[in-house]
Amino acid sequence: NAGVMQNPRHLVRRRGQEARLRCSPMKGHSHVYWYRQLPEEGLKFMVYLQKENIIDESGMPKERFSAEFPKEGPSILRIQQVVRGDSAAYFCASSPTGTVSGNTIYFGEGSWLTVV
Amino acid sequence: QKEVEQNSGPLSVPEGAIASLNCTYSDRVSQSFFWYRQYSGKSPELIMSIYSNGDKEDGRFTAQLNKASQYVSLLIRDSQPSDSATYLCAVIDGNNRKLIWGLGTSLAVNP
Repeated sequence: NAGVMQNPRHLVRRRGQEARLRCSPMKGHSHVYWYRQLPEEGLKFMVYLQKENIIDESGMPKERFSAEFPKEGPSILRIQQVVRGDSAAYFCASSPTGTVSGNTIYFGEGSWLTVV
Repeated sequence: QKEVEQNSGPLSVPEGAIASLNCTYSDRVSQSFFWYRQYSGKSPELIMSIYSNGDKEDGRFTAQLNKASQYVSLLIRDSQPSDSATYLCAVIDGNNRKLIWGLGTSLAVNP
């Protein structure tokens, strides 16, 4: 029973390039959450998605960041024109239904983005 | 702004002692509470969830919830050096059902 799968685990991008991070939720889970964690800081909520729907994107920066969770395939967090401040760990989590049900969320192993 | 507060630590305990981690939250109608453990360079890992007042035990871990006082705690008995990590408290906001995170408490268990 595979857990939440994220790839790539480590990604290096030059300033101005695009970064794409992928997340496949646990089997049976249809709710996906993306979090960012800067070095020595806490988890910051970014976006909550269901299949083909963005439920809550209140934590997403207004520019350069986007997320999707298509009907088929993984959820993707896309960062355009990366800057050094985007260097962080990006964690994806999933749950069978949303936190509205009081459900626990389970995390993937994370994707570490380094912008050089 | 709903908040979850934790002492950042570091909390240092000797091996074999009981480690007590505390978390307070501002939302009176919260119903679901979670403790996660995060090792350095790793992702958060669920330790326990608790929904009712009182204690919930799982192995060496005991979660305690007091809704009237708006705090939830995690006790770790017979602490081991492998328990050294950051412990994150998370609470589901009772109104908009969003998960709100504390910043975590760093625990160091000294051999």
